[in-house]
Amino acid sequence: GAGVSQSPSNKVTEKGKDVELRCDPISGHTALYWYRQSLGQGLEFLIYFQGNSAPDKSGLPSDRFSAERTGESVSTLTIQRTQQEDSAVYLCASSLYPIYSYNEQFFGPGTRLTVL
Amino acid sequence: GIQVEQSPPDLILQEGANSTLRCNFSDSVNNLQWFHQNPWGQLINLFYIPSGTKQNGRLSATTVATERYSLLYISSSQTTDSGVYFCAVAPAGGGADGLTFGKGTHLIIQP
Repeated sequence: GAGVSQSPSNKVTEKGKDVELRCDPISGHTALYWYRQSLGQGLEFLIYFQGNSAPDKSGLPSDRFSAERTGESVSTLTIQRTQQEDSAVYLCASSLYPIYSYNEQFFGPGTRLTVL
Repeated sequence: GIQVEQSPPDLILQEGANSTLRCNFSDSVNNLQWFHQNPWGQLINLFYIPSGTKQNGRLSATTVATERYSLLYISSSQTTDSGVYFCAVAPAGGGADGLTFGKGTHLIIQP
């Protein structure tokens, strides 16, 4: 596609429920990143995928968060047993890296998650 | 981890004015990007500039990697330039690392 797409654009859920957020990167981009933006924490990096390498999960806020990517395409971010502090905008980005070591990242429109 | 500081935090200008936004970072970088976040929350890429100088219309940016800072210049401001400007970096040697963002500069251009 023309840009990074994310779905849903908005998600309202009840505390304790599980949610799944989806990201479609720009076609041909090998690296994919998840971030979140909240009022208290600003923009923070969560996790990235590159090729077949195992992702570094150290940036995930808690063990309730997990992420998967199928090959070099779609990625899902899953939050189990959601808490009110999980409310934020979740952003996905992709880049061409490691092609030419060029790592400009392009962002999707985000998913706004509200936990009641 | 790497630290990113942006200044000023807030800036209010009249239409037509020029402005300079600054980004200081604490370590060597292999990626530095400037973004404009529009009112709908979309991050718009302005520059990918780990070093050197680039220009795009009324906007230009300079990164002095050896002194660990970057500047974003906006000339002849328009009301549509309003929004939050973010600087984000990734440390050198990290490959495809995630970006560390500054807290942003909130720019308001008044007609």
